[in-house]
Amino acid sequence: KQEVTQIPAALSVPEGENLVLNCSFTDSAIYNLQWFRQDHGKGLTSLLLIQSSQREQTSGRLNASLDKSSGRSTLYIAASQPGDSATYLCALGGRGSRLTFGEGTQLTVNP
Amino acid sequence: NAGVTQTPKFQVLKTGQSMTLQCAQDMNHEYMSWYRQDPGMGLRLIHYSVGAGITDQGEVPNGYNVSRSTTEDFPLRLLSAAPSQTSVYFCASSSTSGGRLQGTGELFFGEGSRLTVL
Repeated sequence: KQEVTQIPAALSVPEGENLVLNCSFTDSAIYNLQWFRQDHGKGLTSLLLIQSSQREQTSGRLNASLDKSSGRSTLYIAASQPGDSATYLCALGGRGSRLTFGEGTQLTVNP
Repeated sequence: NAGVTQTPKFQVLKTGQSMTLQCAQDMNHEYMSWYRQDPGMGLRLIHYSVGAGITDQGEVPNGYNVSRSTTEDFPLRLLSAAPSQTSVYFCASSSTSGGRLQGTGELFFGEGSRLTVL
């Protein structure tokens, strides 16, 4: 059974800082990995999708990497802004169109 | 740009009552799914569908039924509500499903339905 761990559970940083969120997983037999953002009381918004054959994806100030051999993914946020404050979740796409989610990292960016 | 629409947004039920959470998407997506989100447990897959007429169980299917008669709609039925079903429910869809054997594409989520069972 796939297990997904996100560390830290919460992170508070000053505005402008570059930061890295971590996601580790136990089963490397995945089809893809997605990073999501969830604002308080809202649904999830997909940020980046990395296929299993890819090493990284970039969108604006966000960069996500995938290392299947070590069972790790990182989400890098450059020049953080208060509007980046949210919970960030990673999800592993497995066989049978099933996704397994981590519990998320709650990010607070202080002005 | 409706995307994935869930109704109702809030619902309070008494133990033993039944109800249906509605989910509709206007993106012609093959794949649709239902998750529940609970503190300390993250999002867990309840049921999913890789196309009209096809449904499969996820991680926590007990107490829930689904059907997929059209591409657009994927309702989730609670047969006899229990306090353990108090949760926030999310519907999600994807343009690619890869069928039962492969993975999904980018997931689009609804805004959620907050259910309380007394």
